[in-house]
Amino acid sequence: DSGVTQTPKHLITATGQRVTLRCSPRSGDLSVYWYQQSLDQGLQFLIQYYNGEERAKGNILERFSAQQFPDLHSELNLSSLELGDSALYFCASSESGYSNQPQHFGDGTRLSIL
Amino acid sequence: AQSVTQLDSQVPVFEEAPVELRCNYSSSVSVYLFWYVQYPNQGLQLLLKYLSGSTLVKGINGFEAEFNKSQTSFHLRKPSVHISDTAEYFCAVSVLTQGGSEKLVFGKGTKLTVNP
Repeated sequence: DSGVTQTPKHLITATGQRVTLRCSPRSGDLSVYWYQQSLDQGLQFLIQYYNGEERAKGNILERFSAQQFPDLHSELNLSSLELGDSALYFCASSESGYSNQPQHFGDGTRLSIL
Repeated sequence: AQSVTQLDSQVPVFEEAPVELRCNYSSSVSVYLFWYVQYPNQGLQLLLKYLSGSTLVKGINGFEAEFNKSQTSFHLRKPSVHISDTAEYFCAVSVLTQGGSEKLVFGKGTKLTVNP
């Protein structure tokens, strides 16, 4: 158990819809990362937050947004969903957000777009 | 641009045989290197990391990796695998983003299948 909690585990929705994925980081970790894992693209970094502030941005689409709240949990919002957004979305956390520290991953949210 | 290449997408081996999973990276600056493992229906778990110092890094579950700067490689090895090692293995390297922050870039992964 990594200590990182992601909800829901599975999400099935239709094109054009909007969903919110939630992540609770490991106790004591201030930084949260979001990743997208798909068969064709592999594991892609989306965005990182540290103590409520955006720290780094990766291949995140404009239709996607995220935030980290004062209690350090984070949400990833995906809107105007397309078939290609079907993927496994992972949240990870680390203590300070520096790259020499290991990231602890949740078990992911599997998003299926019908 | 920083990239990570895992040369084998699938590696089948027999139980108790040695295994090497290959990883090459492209970089002209100092790097931090990682290997993560993903078991079915789970998130990624850190196996080991190289930050600096000794080029031979030991990790969990009997795995080790050797950092080779001249060959820009960070291959993962285990002398004797078990059925329970069946999983997907990801090599990752930290890179600086344009904004000056850091992010992890992952390879495409290698599926290790250990057969009895």
